[in-house]
Amino acid sequence: TQLLEQSPQFLSIQEGENLTVYCNSSSVFSSLQWYRQEPGEGPVFLVTVVTGGEVKKLKRLTFQFGDARKDSSLHITAAQPGDTGLYLCAGKRQGSSNTGKLIFGQGTTLQVKP
Amino acid sequence: DAGVTQSPTHLIKTRGQQVTLRCSPISGHKSVSWYQQVLGQGPQFIFQYYEKEERGRGNFPDRFSARQFPNYSSELNVNALLLGDSALYLCASSVTRVAGYTFGSGTRLTVV
Repeated sequence: TQLLEQSPQFLSIQEGENLTVYCNSSSVFSSLQWYRQEPGEGPVFLVTVVTGGEVKKLKRLTFQFGDARKDSSLHITAAQPGDTGLYLCAGKRQGSSNTGKLIFGQGTTLQVKP
Repeated sequence: DAGVTQSPTHLIKTRGQQVTLRCSPISGHKSVSWYQQVLGQGPQFIFQYYEKEERGRGNFPDRFSARQFPNYSSELNVNALLLGDSALYLCASSVTRVAGYTFGSGTRLTVV
């Protein structure tokens, strides 16, 4: 059982469309991070959300942390082919003694067609 | 500035053999973490080291071990390799809790 469930697992859209990726859990997280990974490379850090209800924007990407700090979403406006990749959410469990441990979701593969 | 560097980039080993993977963090980063990423899944936490001490361990067997050196570089060792150990092994360094992790490009290990 995945502690962080991402949906959808795969998404194929046309350039210019909007999309939302969800990251859900039954557990509370002290923070959630989002990464983008391309084939053959390591994940690249995008953002951290820490406070319940927090919204952060990174150009056309909008990240939100749920009020209860159990879920997060990533919304991309007017997607471009350069947004293609594997999007990963990762969190640190609230109250965990394993403070260095990031728990990753299984990822959402996004393909943006020109 | 150089990012997180890992070596080797690719490795093929036979079942039962031992392997050592290496990682150099970003200059100034004292924390190094190791993750295993199996194809089609998100990375799984193996170890974290900070100031040469183990600060976290994931659910991996004792065949997996690691250490951090005085210059903050790190090695991950895996003994008695199994086919299921085939994966991308990622090293990440970080400065603070909210700064996020910088990952290396990984070492692709194939066990045959």
